[in-house]
Amino acid sequence: RKEVEQDPGPFNVPEGATVAFNCTYSNSASQSFFWYRQDCRKEPKLLMSVYSSGNEDGRFTAQLNRASQYISLLIRDSKLSDSATYLCVVNPDSGYSTLTFGKGTMLLVSP
Amino acid sequence: SAVISQKPSRDICQRGTSLTIQCQVDSQVTMMFWYRQQPGQSLTLIATANQGSEATYESGFVIDKFPISRPNLTFSTLTVSNMSPEDSSIYLCSVEGPSGEQYFGPGTRLTVT
Repeated sequence: RKEVEQDPGPFNVPEGATVAFNCTYSNSASQSFFWYRQDCRKEPKLLMSVYSSGNEDGRFTAQLNRASQYISLLIRDSKLSDSATYLCVVNPDSGYSTLTFGKGTMLLVSP
Repeated sequence: SAVISQKPSRDICQRGTSLTIQCQVDSQVTMMFWYRQQPGQSLTLIATANQGSEATYESGFVIDKFPISRPNLTFSTLTVSNMSPEDSSIYLCSVEGPSGEQYFGPGTRLTVT
């Protein structure tokens, strides 16, 4: 089983749609979780951290289910500018700073 | 978050040569990280660089191929040695934030012919 697995893409949605990305991780001891966004030919940028209680930032909602080792990202009212690849990222070891990246899910929002 | 710059932004190199990539941060950081992102793939950690000590390499990466320097708390270099076309990739440096997240430089796009 891969350490971090994401939905295969691409997701093609119209403007205004709601879209959800899912991610599973294999290491039950993982402590920190993040969603990054990567635009074409650009570096990954932190979108949001994911907390056990769930967290929301505007149109974006992230949730964590530790029992199922599952992370999700919900984007409401999609904009054209949301088109990007979304990376699920996990820190598998609280005592060490390395991150494990999923392969990413591409989102294409069309007019 | 820290401001990170990388040089060069891109390069085209011949096989058998070496390229040194520089990473500069606008604040002092303990740990810096070097990643590779091959076409269509996600990021793979090459090594972690602490100032004043040898870099720690991940499985599949060795110091002879990817020597790293970390002379101070704001700067690091990664050298890609004896390059082959398989080394064509984007190389990114990053630093750690206060909650375990990482912030990335803009990357160096390397093409080996």
